[in-house]
Amino acid sequence: EDKVVQSPLSLVVHEGDTVTLNCSYEVTNFRSLLWYKQEKKAPTFLFMLTSSGIEKKSGRLSSILDKKELFSILNITATQTGDSAIYLCAVGFQGAQKLVFGQGTRLTINP
Amino acid sequence: ETGVTQTPRHLVMGMTNKKSLKCEQHLGHNAMYWYKQSAKKPLELMFVYNFKEQTENNSVPSRFSPECPNSSHLFLHLHTLQPEDSALYLCASSQRLGNEQYFGPGTRLTVT
Repeated sequence: EDKVVQSPLSLVVHEGDTVTLNCSYEVTNFRSLLWYKQEKKAPTFLFMLTSSGIEKKSGRLSSILDKKELFSILNITATQTGDSAIYLCAVGFQGAQKLVFGQGTRLTINP
Repeated sequence: ETGVTQTPRHLVMGMTNKKSLKCEQHLGHNAMYWYKQSAKKPLELMFVYNFKEQTENNSVPSRFSPECPNSSHLFLHLHTLQPEDSALYLCASSQRLGNEQYFGPGTRLTVT
């Protein structure tokens, strides 16, 4: 059975801290790993990773994939209260249309 | 963000009602998806359409019936639902199958 596991499930930090969110997976026919941010309802796309070791960066957010160890991390530096959200990790498959999602990490940034 | 819209945003229905959820994407994408998000559970894929053709049905009960009249519109017809079907129903689209998906705001469904 395909599995995507995120950790921690919940994280509370102070504004300005740096956080690292984890996503590990055990799937067959891996194609890509995606990160989404879900604030109220609609998850918004952050990154899609397909190659190991290549960091993707957008402002204070960055992510990297390790296909040998089967995990990805999402880093957020200098966190702001607006970063408070649920961060979702999902895996896409070769030859299939589905995404399998992890449970999400609920991140709370306190001022 | 108006790339993917969903209506209604909230819906309360009885178990004997029939209702429909609507999704529309303005991104020129070719693939559309229905997901269910229940409390404390991962997002679950329900259906996938590619160029109006259904390509995946993830063992969804027949009380959920999707319809995709064209690449821009997707419906989810609901009938004789159960209280455990209460959830947030999210629609998404992607340029092609396997590309990143863009989500609508969801419909919060409550079955009484």
